[in-house]
Amino acid sequence: TQLLEQSPQFLSIQEGENLTVYCNSSSVFSSLQWYRQEPGEGPVLLVTVVTGGEVKKLKRLTFQFGDARKDSSLHITAAQPGDTGLYLCAGKPRPGGSQGNLIFGKGTKLSVKP
Amino acid sequence: NAGVTQTPKFRILKIGQSMTLQCAQDMNHNYMYWYRQDPGMGLKLIYYSVGAGITDKGEVPNGYNVSRSTTEDFPLRLELAAPSQTSVYFCASSPSGGRVWQPQHFGDGTRLSIL
Repeated sequence: TQLLEQSPQFLSIQEGENLTVYCNSSSVFSSLQWYRQEPGEGPVLLVTVVTGGEVKKLKRLTFQFGDARKDSSLHITAAQPGDTGLYLCAGKPRPGGSQGNLIFGKGTKLSVKP
Repeated sequence: NAGVTQTPKFRILKIGQSMTLQCAQDMNHNYMYWYRQDPGMGLKLIYYSVGAGITDKGEVPNGYNVSRSTTEDFPLRLELAAPSQTSVYFCASSPSGGRVWQPQHFGDGTRLSIL
């Protein structure tokens, strides 16, 4: 069974702090996606990373895909209360795999206090 | 610009009852999915469809059925509700697949309790 392990499971920080959350697997993925989910809503896509070693930036969020395509990280600079939510990583495993083979991690629940 | 619409938002069922969770999308997406999200367990794929008339099982299909008669609609049926099916159910859709994973657009979920 291919798994995506996310860590930490919970994170509570003060506004202005930096943080990194991780998404790790023993399997290779052809691409990884990060979603953010707020209470009472469905997940919303933040980014897709495709190439090993790829780094993508979205304002204060920096996403990295590992060179071996087995892991990814999300770094938030100067966190704000609006960043509060559940961060989910999701991957399409290799080799092959249909669109139905998307695997989700359990998520990191982030709370940013003012 | 509705996106993915799920109804109802909340429902309480008694053990053994049946119900259908509705999902509709207006983005002309070929792919549609049903997930369940249990506390601390992430999203688990129940069923998915790559187009009208085509459905396939996901990771946790037991106790559920689906149909896809149109591109827009993808209802999920619970025939004999069991307490283990208490969960939040999300429907999602995406454009046609390819090498790069297409983004999935999620509805706001249906919160279902089986008592």
